[in-house]
Amino acid sequence: DAGITQSPRHKVTETGTPVTLRCHQTENHRYMYWYRQDPGHGLRLIHYSYGVKDTDKGEVSDGYSVSRSKTEDFLLTLESATSSQTSVYFCAISSTGTGETGELFFGEGSRLTVL
Amino acid sequence: AQSVTQLDSQVPVFEEAPVELRCNYSSSVSVYLFWYVQYPNQGLQLLLKYLSGSTLVESINGFEAEFNKSQTSFHLRKPSVHISDTAEYFCAAFMNRDDKIIFGKGTRLHILP
Repeated sequence: DAGITQSPRHKVTETGTPVTLRCHQTENHRYMYWYRQDPGHGLRLIHYSYGVKDTDKGEVSDGYSVSRSKTEDFLLTLESATSSQTSVYFCAISSTGTGETGELFFGEGSRLTVL
Repeated sequence: AQSVTQLDSQVPVFEEAPVELRCNYSSSVSVYLFWYVQYPNQGLQLLLKYLSGSTLVESINGFEAEFNKSQTSFHLRKPSVHISDTAEYFCAAFMNRDDKIIFGKGTRLHILP
């Protein structure tokens, strides 16, 4: 199994509070991704990173920011959580990018509830 | 825009019966195709993939998928399902014009006793 750890695994917070989710990998993979999973929507990409300090937006990036100061860590921050951000968040990693296989390895997920 | 369509959100099937989960993708010059499986309360894991070569690909637990370029499809099949196959299945495509994998919305497979 790929070494991917997400923390926290479960979190309940209140509207307006900041939240940070952490993804840690031990595979030294270059690419890291944050997805959210919601019923009827499947997986939607929030942000991704293609190297240290190199990040880009996905299809649902509004209200989220990310940082990657080390190869192994990719942080997802909700500056001011809203109820619409209640979801299950998955981190994924990949060793390859454009022109290659793009196979992803997923973490176990972080369930966030915003009251 | 590139897209992946899974035509069924839920598929109920009796144990030991055959099943087909359908997936279509928007046409692309070059495409890699994947099926991922998500068991309850877990992350996604790769089930099988098509990169090139033989259009029929198989997994270790009896699933197979066939790449059909003319119909832009990559349907997943299993001749006899087991209760342990209960999961959500996601079709995904990596199209070389873009850096990112595109996922379908998922098909939940319910195995009936």
